Amino acid sequence: QLLESGGGLVKPGGSLTLSCAASGFHFRDYYMNWIRQAPGKGLEWVSDISSSSAYTNYADSVKGRFTISRDNAKNSLYLRMDSLTDEDTAVYYCARDPSGGEGYFDFWGRGTLVAVSS
Amino acid sequence: ETVMTQSPATLSVSPGERATLSCRASQSVSSNLAWYQQKPGQAPRLLIHGASTRAKGIPARFSGSGSGTEFTLTISSLQSEDFGVYYCQHYNQRPPGDITFGPGTKVDIK
Repeated sequence: QLLESGGGLVKPGGSLTLSCAASGFHFRDYYMNWIRQAPGKGLEWVSDISSSSAYTNYADSVKGRFTISRDNAKNSLYLRMDSLTDEDTAVYYCARDPSGGEGYFDFWGRGTLVAVSS
Repeated sequence: ETVMTQSPATLSVSPGERATLSCRASQSVSSNLAWYQQKPGQAPRLLIHGASTRAKGIPARFSGSGSGTEFTLTISSLQSEDFGVYYCQHYNQRPPGDITFGPGTKVDIK
């Protein structure tokens, strides 16, 4: 199971940290990802992190503002989001990559909604 | 960045009929192509990876084909539970971070 939390309403320019708690699999063995979906829109990959945290990647739209991290001892994934704009309003999903970093996703959480508005 | 396009935007199919969904990449992605189904209020579900490999638990009526820039998802005999939006996705991160989804095809049950 993947369970996201930490979403909510935040003002433009504000910050928020999302969490994703994993259970039922060996979390430390997998690349993990954040993917978002704006209301009524399609899917947008946001970021990924390797199993050991050695490698991280970001979409151009969030590079320099978002930071992905993980704590394998706590089976948890995080996304620190700074300098938020209304274009960051979306449901944020955490997702498991079974391919060792190639980038497809076999297991998704139910998502947490981030709303950026004044 | 590799741009993914999908057609048609909406597809209305009667139960028992075949549904054919198309996905095109702006440059070759080899066989690094996945398909997902998403129902309202739910997370996406992986159907196909590697262009043609069904994910665990996916019924055999779902099949994927193609390579390079042209891909197809076929639902051989549509069931009522197959409504939803279907997304294709390119992966294999060269360069890193080049992971893109298509805009989706909405499948309605006629």
